[in-house]
Amino acid sequence: GAVVSQHPSRVICKSGTSVKIECRSLDFQATTMFWYRQFPKKSLMLMATSNEGSKATYEQGVEKDKFLINHASLTLSTLTVTSAHPEDSSFYICSARGPGTTKETQYFGPGTRLLVL
Amino acid sequence: AQSVSQHNHHVILSEAASLELGCNYSYGGTVNLFWYVQYPGQHLQLLLKYFSGDPLVKGIKGFEAEFIKSKFSFNLRKPSVQWSDTAEYFCAVNALGDYKLSFGAGTTVTVRA
Repeated sequence: GAVVSQHPSRVICKSGTSVKIECRSLDFQATTMFWYRQFPKKSLMLMATSNEGSKATYEQGVEKDKFLINHASLTLSTLTVTSAHPEDSSFYICSARGPGTTKETQYFGPGTRLLVL
Repeated sequence: AQSVSQHNHHVILSEAASLELGCNYSYGGTVNLFWYVQYPGQHLQLLLKYFSGDPLVKGIKGFEAEFIKSKFSFNLRKPSVQWSDTAEYFCAVNALGDYKLSFGAGTTVTVRA
């Protein structure tokens, strides 16, 4: 149980284009999802908290107009990197807050590797 | 806000050796503590967690961790590692009632056969 998927697993795009990454909770409903960025040999940096039916809460220093988050349903959150640039190249990971008694635990997706040329 | 420090950046050891990874956090209130593992090419998986009760928690794959409140520590241990334990290990913390996680920098564990 508590499986989270991401799509795509990797994407290469040209500078200036926008890229959408999907995060789905497959076997449970997630009212809260999180988006992280992981740099090589570095830890996970929380970018934003995504709440179903409301605006996302962004961490300090994360541009909300750059990283658009939509949590339209209880099983899907999307992250759109707008006008991507090479410095946006990274590994993006989502997680979902667990259901019921596991609500204090986050379950992670497999990540999406973005390369902006 | 919480911060988490993991003492070891890279640990190399032989099969059957014992493993201990250090984790300390800074936060004045009540916290929940987690250890996640990331095997090569795979996503983060929960190894174990501590919310309350017995400070010695047992997780999957033979791992355990001990919460020492006075030391703000939550060290991970395994008595005898296997080659398949080669992975990145992350300690994480959240404040009680706040679901946002703060992660340590991670420790790379390499087990040589």
